[in-house]
Amino acid sequence: GAVVSQHPSRVICKSGTSVKIECRSLDFQATTMFWYRQFPKQSLMLMATSNEGSKATYEQGVEKDKFLINHASLTLSTLTVTSAHPEDSSFYICSALGLGPGEQFFGPGTRLTVL
Amino acid sequence: DAKTTQPTSMDCAEGRAANLPCNHSTISGNEYVYWYRQIHSQGPQYIIHGLKNNETNEMASLIITEDRKSSTLILPHATLRDTAVYYCIVRGDNNAGNNRKLIWGLGTSLAVNP
Repeated sequence: GAVVSQHPSRVICKSGTSVKIECRSLDFQATTMFWYRQFPKQSLMLMATSNEGSKATYEQGVEKDKFLINHASLTLSTLTVTSAHPEDSSFYICSALGLGPGEQFFGPGTRLTVL
Repeated sequence: DAKTTQPTSMDCAEGRAANLPCNHSTISGNEYVYWYRQIHSQGPQYIIHGLKNNETNEMASLIITEDRKSSTLILPHATLRDTAVYYCIVRGDNNAGNNRKLIWGLGTSLAVNP
């Protein structure tokens, strides 16, 4: 199946700094990608839908000015956590829609720890 | 809210079949049942999906009841590497509109024991 990568796999940062997470579709073009957040022992929560060449669509309760999403190419979406705080520490996962009906491919996730 | 209910946890002996149930009593006619799993600290992995017929692939089998209100994922010979959280998700089988979104419940935490 198609491969989606994320970089970095884990990051530790100080409170108040910004962190950028990359999501790449390696062998296919993805006009739509999704960003999820997962806290320990909880399920995946959809944060936003990233659309190539247009603004992201955020889920209710997700601050668009804090979680900046850029989908500038058909193979790359980035999530920037601005002014990170300890409560932003979480596992961030991206996915990309494939060409086939119902296809969605997931990245390996990025573990963010904010000190 | 997730449209499915699953047991919180299950145990299975290595080499035996693991049967994971899922209830989706409000499923509509054009919605498919998808199964994913998530091994600890990894991204989700697609397993299988189906509409009303039973499906089988190299990973698992999916048995859907005739009324489509429930289904069972079967791992025929569970190994230690199958220890993961298994998610049952109901959604339309196209990438239009809200069908693109996956709504995740808490899944079933399957422990395969030696």
